Formats: sequence, C-alpha cells, structure tokens
Amino acid sequence: ELKVEQNPLFLSMQEGKNYTIYCNYSTTSDRLYWYRQDPGKSLESLFVLLSNGAVKQEGRLMASLDTKARLSTLHITAAVHDLSATYFCAVENTGNQFYFGTGTSLTVIP
Amino acid sequence: KAGVTQTPRYLIKTRGQQVTLSCSPISGHRSVSWYQQTPGQGLQFLFEYFSETQRNKGNFPGRFSGRQFSNSRSEMNVSTLELGDSALYLCASSLGLAAAQYFGPGTRLTVL
Repeated sequence: ELKVEQNPLFLSMQEGKNYTIYCNYSTTSDRLYWYRQDPGKSLESLFVLLSNGAVKQEGRLMASLDTKARLSTLHITAAVHDLSATYFCAVENTGNQFYFGTGTSLTVIP
Repeated sequence: KAGVTQTPRYLIKTRGQQVTLSCSPISGHRSVSWYQQTPGQGLQFLFEYFSETQRNKGNFPGRFSGRQFSNSRSEMNVSTLELGDSALYLCASSLGLAAAQYFGPGTRLTVL
C-alpha cells in the first residue's frame, strides 16, 4: 500500500516568515494534490501536480513535485494569519486510488 | 455555479443499522469520489464513480457501497453500522481523472 508522510505535523510560525511543508510518498506516482482544510470545514483544492518538475503558485503558496525523489513541497512565503489551516497532500496511484498524508496543522502567529 | 452538496449534514445511528448518504456534484462533473475522515485514521479513499461506473475502490469492507445515477448524483450506503464507522464522510466531484476535486461540506455520522 502506498504510504504518504507529511512533515512537520504541527507548524507554528510568525507572520512574515517563510517555511516549507514536505510530502514524501513510497511508490511511483506522478499525480499529487494539495488541499487546505479550515477547522470544522471541508477540504479546498489548492494545487494539482501532474508531472516531474511541476511547479504551481497561488499567492503566498507554491507547490512543487519531484517524482524521482517521491517528494512534493508546499512553500509558504511571508506567512499571514489567513494561512492558518491544516494542509494535506494526497498521492494518486496507478490504480487511481488516493492516499492522503496525515496533514500539517499550520498556525501563523501575529 | 452551485458547489457540491451533501445530505444530510448530520446523522446519528445505532450499531447494526444502515445509512445512506447523498452527494450532488457540481453541474457538468461526472466523477464523484467518497472519503472517510476520522481523527485516528485521517482521510481515507472509499471509492470513485464516473458515468455510473465504479472505477476505483479503497480498502474498505463490503459493508461500504455506493452508486451513481445518470445525473451524476451519488449515494453511499453503509450497512450493519459499527462504532468505528463514526466519521466525517466527504464527497468530491471533478471533471475526471487528474483534475482538481471540489469537496462538499461533508456528512458527520455518529454511531452509538
């Protein structure tokens, strides 16, 4: 079974700082997704990464995919309070099944 | 454009009962996926339907089943409920494979 590991699990950072969330997975895949979940809410799709070297950016968030290293990163630039949420990565295997990471709970402190 | 809707939003059942959850996708989306979210197991993929056919299935027992109708609406059924089935059940719709998924608000099921 495909394993997806995210780290860190918890992240507390000051406004204005940069940080990176890592998503490692255990078997070959070139489809990776990032989601955001606010407390008590559903998931919101952030990025869809479909090939090695893919990079997507939206506002202060940038996601990248290295399929050879089986690694995706979600980089946060100049964090603001509104980015506080839990971030999940999900990997789609060749059988089109989705496997989610454990999530990274991000708190941005003013 | 209306988002993904799920009904009911909250449900309380007792062990041994069965339950049916409903999901209406975004208009034009033919793919509907179901997920279970619990504090212990996190987010787990249940199954995915496309044009009324189940294309993929996660590692859940046969008590979990689903179907999709010709209008793309989907239902999920859980029979012989167990305490461990208490969870938030999320449905997501998309245009198809490798496309962004749009999630509904979820149905919170509590099994007593």
